Amino acid sequence: QQQVKQSPQSLIVQKGGISIINCAYENTAFDYFPWYQQFPGKGPALLIAIRPDVSEKKEGRFTISFNKSAKQFSLHIMDSQPGDSATYFCAASIKGGSYIPTFGRGTSLIVHP
Amino acid sequence: NAGVTQTPKFRILKIGQSMTLQCTQDMNHNYMYWYRQDPGMGLKLIYYSVGAGITDKGEVPNGYNVSRSTTEDFPLRLELAAPSQTSVYFCASSPKLQAEAFFGQGTRLTVV
Repeated sequence: QQQVKQSPQSLIVQKGGISIINCAYENTAFDYFPWYQQFPGKGPALLIAIRPDVSEKKEGRFTISFNKSAKQFSLHIMDSQPGDSATYFCAASIKGGSYIPTFGRGTSLIVHP
Repeated sequence: NAGVTQTPKFRILKIGQSMTLQCTQDMNHNYMYWYRQDPGMGLKLIYYSVGAGITDKGEVPNGYNVSRSTTEDFPLRLELAAPSQTSVYFCASSPKLQAEAFFGQGTRLTVV
């Protein structure tokens, strides 16, 4: 059973455009939602994270939007650049039980120059 | 700081062979994890450890074993390699619960 569903599987965006990646979850006990970025041949690295007490968090060109009632959260990359081309993973974890993050299946983003 | 170091980077195994994937971290993190990454499938947790001497199974533990004798080291053992274990393996560590996980560079394993 996939606890965190991520879409789309792949995404192609023109330079300067907005990239949007969506994740949905079922377990309402999840209360920490990080996003990881992975370049080819490298391990994932934390990009940005959010907790459900806020609806949005912004760091530079990267924004997480969180909709608690819909059990969805999304990553928005504004002014997408070729250097943003990577695989992006959303994840979720529970504070009061298993703390280990559950990952989505990943989104391969290509930003064309 | 080197962070999380994995060795080897690449390995080809024959069916039935065994090997140990090494992982060490120099950040004094209590929590360590092993994931496998298959195309389009994301990261699947194999085993994790919350401290020296404590390990537990993740989502896909069959065919693997781990030990955690020190805070720094968390090796992953494959006893009888099978083609289904062809994957990229990542070791990660984190300082506390719900904190950033730091990943190693990965080990690409092929079983033929």
